[in-house]
Amino acid sequence: AQTVTQSQPEMSVQEAETVTLSCTYDTSESDYYLFWYKQPPSRQMILVIRQEAYKQQNATENRFSVNFQKAAKSFSLKISDSQLGDAAMYFCAYRLDTGNQFYFGTGTSLTVIP
Amino acid sequence: DGGITQSPKYLFRKEGQNVTLSCEQNLNHDAMYWYRQDPGQGLRLIYYSQIVNDFQKGDIAEGYSVSREKKESFPLTVTSAQKNPTAFYLCASSMWDSNSPLHFGNGTRLTVT
Repeated sequence: AQTVTQSQPEMSVQEAETVTLSCTYDTSESDYYLFWYKQPPSRQMILVIRQEAYKQQNATENRFSVNFQKAAKSFSLKISDSQLGDAAMYFCAYRLDTGNQFYFGTGTSLTVIP
Repeated sequence: DGGITQSPKYLFRKEGQNVTLSCEQNLNHDAMYWYRQDPGQGLRLIYYSQIVNDFQKGDIAEGYSVSREKKESFPLTVTSAQKNPTAFYLCASSMWDSNSPLHFGNGTRLTVT
């Protein structure tokens, strides 16, 4: 079974500080793609960052970066210099190279404290 | 601008009535998806379609039906057989390439009373 686990239902961070959201997944496949999505109160799902499993280098997008540990099946998201606009629900997901299905975690609600 | 349009944003229905949620995309994406979102449960896949006139059941397809007569359109019908239809519904699409992410519409909030 393809599963994604986000073990932190809620997290909080002080504005300008750094926070890391955890994600683990379970698949027997070796080729896949990983994604982090952000869902602010507007409920619009926004792609934050993506990572190819065959790449060892961790992806970075401005203040957002990932720590991808393939052997551990771990894909955490680090948000640096947190801003009030980062407050949202964050979902981890992956897609197998062989299919069109996406597998999502249950999300982490991030609060940014001014 | 390219994107996915879901309409309406809010929908209210009486129990026992079928209701259809609209989803249109102009991104020229091959695959389209319907997800249901409930508090604390993340996104659950209802149906997805990889090409016109073909679609597959997701994890929670019971009580739902879809059609894919055009590449751009993937409407979802919530039937009276769906026991708990009140939820937030998200439509999404992606390219065939496996590294292509999902692009989402703004969602439809369905309330059945």
